[in-house]
Amino acid sequence: EAGVTQFPSHSVIEKGQTVTLRCDPISGHDNLYWYRRVMGKEIKFLLHFVKESKQDESGMPNNRFLAERTGGTYSTLKVQPAELEDSGVYFCASSLRRSSYNEQFFGPGTRLTVL
Amino acid sequence: RKEVEQDPGPFNVPEGATVAFNCTYSNSASQSFFWYRQDCRKEPKLLMSVYSSGNEDGRFTAQLNRASQYISLLIRDSKLSDSATYLCVVNRGDGGSQGNLIFGKGTKLSVKP
Repeated sequence: EAGVTQFPSHSVIEKGQTVTLRCDPISGHDNLYWYRRVMGKEIKFLLHFVKESKQDESGMPNNRFLAERTGGTYSTLKVQPAELEDSGVYFCASSLRRSSYNEQFFGPGTRLTVL
Repeated sequence: RKEVEQDPGPFNVPEGATVAFNCTYSNSASQSFFWYRQDCRKEPKLLMSVYSSGNEDGRFTAQLNRASQYISLLIRDSKLSDSATYLCVVNRGDGGSQGNLIFGKGTKLSVKP
């Protein structure tokens, strides 16, 4: 079974540009999560989709970040315009159910560098 | 105060040693608790869930003390392959935020021959 995949693996952009990250969850997983790790900090939650609906977006830092999951399959996270502090590793995770002990499987991450 | 606190280490131990990691969390509403393992420049992977009664998986034992809001992980007979960063993780616990995981910064373990 294929795991969670993310694209691109690395992205280097200049401040003010736009970047779109993509996540393909494990097939059949309704729950999809985005997390971010900024250098030197812990991994932080951004948001949670259940199918195509946003269940919890309390971790989104500001309105420069837009996440979508049209059709309830893959998800995109767009940063527009990117700022220096957006640099970090963006992880996507998926889980089969929403129950509290349901394992979240993480993708390999997208390493974003904003210059 | 950080929501999940861990000793960052590094813990440098010889093969065969027993090592213990501790973690405290601040959100009393948290309902589920985990240890994840993260290798250098890789994604976190679930090592084990932590239940109130404590649980064991081979060389790994996890304990939870809800009253003290404290979680521990014990690794016995350390192997070279155990070298990694161990992340203490709890869920936010309130209503629709069950999937919202809160991570500690991690404890780095290095097992030497």
